[in-house]
Amino acid sequence: DADVTQTPRNRITKTGKRIMLECSQTKGHDRMYWYRQDPGLGLRLIYYSFDVKDINKGEISDGYSVSRQAQAKFSLSLESAIPNQTALYFCATSDFTREQGYTFGSGTRLTVV
Amino acid sequence: KQEVTQIPAALSVPEGENLVLNCSFTDSAIYNLQWFRQDPGKGLTSLLLIQSSQREQTSGRLNASLDKSSGRSTLYIAASQPGDSATYLCAVTGYSGGGADGLTFGKGTHLIIQP
Repeated sequence: DADVTQTPRNRITKTGKRIMLECSQTKGHDRMYWYRQDPGLGLRLIYYSFDVKDINKGEISDGYSVSRQAQAKFSLSLESAIPNQTALYFCATSDFTREQGYTFGSGTRLTVV
Repeated sequence: KQEVTQIPAALSVPEGENLVLNCSFTDSAIYNLQWFRQDPGKGLTSLLLIQSSQREQTSGRLNASLDKSSGRSTLYIAASQPGDSATYLCAVTGYSGGGADGLTFGKGTHLIIQP
């Protein structure tokens, strides 16, 4: 099994729909992150969490929300999807010290039509 | 705000050549620097991680160097192979507190190795 698992791998949804992307990890890391990747814009941080009681906004949090259900689970929600949220979404983890670097999931390709 | 720049944006070389990818960052107060590889539409695979106190790291045909004071890192790929074709991303970790945590990424170097 992968260290960081994202579901679903691909999703097509309609404008206005609510959608949740899920992430689970077996690394035992405290810190979890959600990024989105767009052509020409690179990777941008959406939200991050240092532990189950700590949630922080990243660079582009508008239109998104997150939930840290457990140390190993961190989900990203789009309450009302819009077409410019079409992107590749990545979940990542790191240990508290960050000495081990970051581990990324395989990504969720989301298309909003 | 930290900014990471990667040069060149794209590179195409014949198989067997040695090559260097460049990464520069504006704020030298980094915790560490990480090089990733990304195949089209796929996830990010970590290649090398350099702590701020280190000068270089090696893994097989890959060697990454770090000059924190000048804000530069290089990724050296020896004896390139077609399987090395991918996008290579450089990312730096800043210190927490007062702002967003996490990595700051460059936009990547798209590498093509011609057979």
